[in-house]
Order: sequence, then structure tokens, then C-alpha cells
Amino acid sequence: GAGVSQTPSNKVTEKGKYVELRCDPISGHTALYWYRQSLGQGPEFLIYFQGTGAADDSGLPNDRFFAVRPEGSVSTLKIQRTERGDSAVYLCASSPGMGKNIQYFGAGTRLSVL
Amino acid sequence: GDSVTQMEGPVTLSEEAFLTINCTYTATGYPSLFWYVQYPGEGLQLLLKATKADDKGSNKGFEATYRKETTSFHLEKGSVQVSDSAVYFCALNNAGNNRKLIWGLGTSLAVNP
Repeated sequence: GAGVSQTPSNKVTEKGKYVELRCDPISGHTALYWYRQSLGQGPEFLIYFQGTGAADDSGLPNDRFFAVRPEGSVSTLKIQRTERGDSAVYLCASSPGMGKNIQYFGAGTRLSVL
Repeated sequence: GDSVTQMEGPVTLSEEAFLTINCTYTATGYPSLFWYVQYPGEGLQLLLKATKADDKGSNKGFEATYRKETTSFHLEKGSVQVSDSAVYFCALNNAGNNRKLIWGLGTSLAVNP
């Protein structure tokens, strides 16, 4: 596609439910990043994929958060037993890799946990 | 660890005023530095970047110079327009840290006609 696509754009869920957020990166980009942005804050790193593997998951806040990228393209961020504190905008970015380090961002998924 | 400190907002200016948004950083090695912009209702867009000391990034009339001696990357524009109203984020990444972006808190800019 022309840019990074994230779906859904908005997700409202109830405390305790499971959610999946999808990211479709720019075609050919090998690097994929997930960030979380709370209101009035800068984004915070969650996880980085190089190809299919999670090269750095040091930003995941706890074991309720998990992400996959099984074919090295689309990625899914999964949150179990959601809590109100998980409410934020979840951002996905992709990058060509191979030393080209500009990241291109999707519009984000706004998650609201009631 | 690596960090970015950015001038707090909000900043309110009149059209054609001069803009400076300060950004300083702490990092090991030789990070790349970025300014991203978030217009109302839109996603983050790269505004400009610099990858080594003394590089100047520029775009849409905005400029920032990578100053290693002062660990700074201040954003400037000589004459702002109403359409520049947005939130501006300073960020860095480091080859030794998987290129994940480390962000400032963002500075909100409002330009009045």
C-alpha cells in the first residue's frame, strides 16, 4: 500500500476483554515498530520486529501484551485482560531497514477501555 | 539510557513571527535526530532529520542543526503560518539501540492570524 495502515482506527472495549490491533506496513519494509502514546505525552516504544522475529520487546509493559508478525509483513498487537490504564493511541511504524532509519507512521488505533 | 528533553508548550505566536522550539538530548554513541509533526486529527509525519554532527535538516521553511557540543537540535522557522499549528516532537534513535525512537513530550504550537 501507499502508507502504513492501522485497523481499527478506534476501538472501545470493556475492562477485562481481549483486543487485537492490526498494522499493515509499507510494502517491502522489513522493520516494524509499535509505540503507545498517552494523552499529552510523546510516544513510548513497545516492540520492534526485524522480519518475522521480535528483535526487541523491552518496551512491552507486562505479559498481557504480545505481538506477532508471522510472515514478516502484517503485525498484530494483542492485549489480554485489558485495563483502563491501557487506554491510549497505539502507533505502528515501518522502516526499510538495512541502515535506512526513517520510520513512517500509521494514523494509529485509539483504544478506549471502559 | 537515551533521552530527549523538549521545550514545554503550549506556544502561541502570531502569523509571521519567528519560532524556536528547544530540544536537547542525552545519548551514547552517535544518534540520528528527528523532528516529527502531528497536525490536528492526523498521524505523525517526519518533518526533518539529521544524522551526524553539524548536519542541518530542513523542510517547509523549518530548520534544525545537529549540535554535538551542546547536545541540541533546536527547531526554527523564520515566519510561521496558521497552517503550522500542530504538535512538534523531537526524537532520536541509535544504531546500538535497534533504532527505536526515543521521544520528547511534544510542544503544541498555535499560530493566530
